[in-house]
Parts: sequence; C-alpha cells; structure tokens
Amino acid sequence: AQSVTQPDIHITVSEGASLELRCNYSYGATPYLFWYVQSPGQGLQLLLKYFSGDTLVQGIKGFEAEFKRSQSSFNLRKPSVHWSDAAEYFCAVGVDSNYQLIWGAGTKLIIKP
Amino acid sequence: DAGVTQSPTHLIKTRGQQVTLRCSPKSGHDTVSWYQQALGQGPQFIFQYYEEEERQRGNFPDRFSGHQFPNYSSELNVNALLLGDSALYLCASSYPLGSDGYTFGSGTRLTVV
Repeated sequence: AQSVTQPDIHITVSEGASLELRCNYSYGATPYLFWYVQSPGQGLQLLLKYFSGDTLVQGIKGFEAEFKRSQSSFNLRKPSVHWSDAAEYFCAVGVDSNYQLIWGAGTKLIIKP
Repeated sequence: DAGVTQSPTHLIKTRGQQVTLRCSPKSGHDTVSWYQQALGQGPQFIFQYYEEEERQRGNFPDRFSGHQFPNYSSELNVNALLLGDSALYLCASSYPLGSDGYTFGSGTRLTVV
C-alpha cells in the first residue's frame, strides 16, 4: 500500500540551529516527492519538489531535501532556522502519474528563542 | 498574480444539510484537486477535475461530488452532512499531471453541528 511516514510529530529546535525533518515513503513506482509547509489557519505552501535528476533539491526559504532511493527517504533540511520557520511541515508523494498526493501526518516545528 | 482562491473561508452547517464550496484556480492552471484535512492530520485526496470531468477519485463516499466549469473553477458539494465531515477543505490547482507542483488555497473550514 502507498504510504508516507513522518516519524516525528513534534520537533523543537533552537533558533539558529540546524534542522532535519524525516520522511519515508512506500510506493512501488518512481515517486514524485514534495515538501509543503502550513502555518496556523493557512493553506499549504510548496517548499520544494523532486521529480527526477539531481537527488539534492533546493527550495524556497533556504530549505533543501535529499532523495535517497535505497532508503525510500526524502528528508528536509535547513542549516539555520529562524523563528518564522515555526509551522507544520508535510511530506507528500505523488502517485498514479501524480494525479493525487499521499500525505504524511505532518511534523510540527517549534522554535526555541 | 492571484493564487488559488477559495470561498467561503468558514462555514457552519447542521447535520443532514448540504454544502457547496468554491475554488478559483491559479491563473494558467487547468486542473483542480480537492482535499479534506481533519484536525491534526495530513490532507486526504477527494478527487481531481480536468477538462470538466472527474479524472480520479479518492476513498470518499458519493455524498461528495464536484464540478468544474469551462473557466476551470470548481465546486465541491457535500450532501447529508455528518459530524465527521467537519474539516478544512483545501483546493489545489496545477497544470496537467502536476508538472510544476500543486498550488493550494487557504481552505474552507467547515464545521458540522
């Protein structure tokens, strides 16, 4: 069955520290991979996507993600977080020719001052 | 550049009633998808519309129906509302096959009482 797992429900990071959010997927075909961010009461904003090619993908707001096929992972990273990064982060996989997205349950990022 | 516009932003309905939610896609996009996001969870795919037809459907009952108009805007209709239908309903627009990712609106918060 197709699924996306984000093992961390909450992560607390000090401002200025580095960040890594984990995402593992289960999908038999070549995945289309996405990271979205959702602030309270807001919709979802696309941070970055991977369709093919270079496995290290750069996104907006200084985020990057690395696709590792052998580990079925697509972890999100940022070298130095800012208080404005506090939000919920969702990993998603595009399935069925990318007609629909399967989502993880999200990771809530809390920034310590 | 107008993004995805959804209306209304909030809605309160009584069990058994019917509701219609509306979505205008981002300029240039012709594909509209609808997602349901329950509190504390990732979004769940309801269906996708392309060329005024339902192209793919998720695991939702027939009470959930939709429509796409010639100008690519879309409606989501839910009949015989249940308490469990209370959620944030998100509309996403894209080019066919989501080749540039999906752009989401801010959603409609539906509360069923």
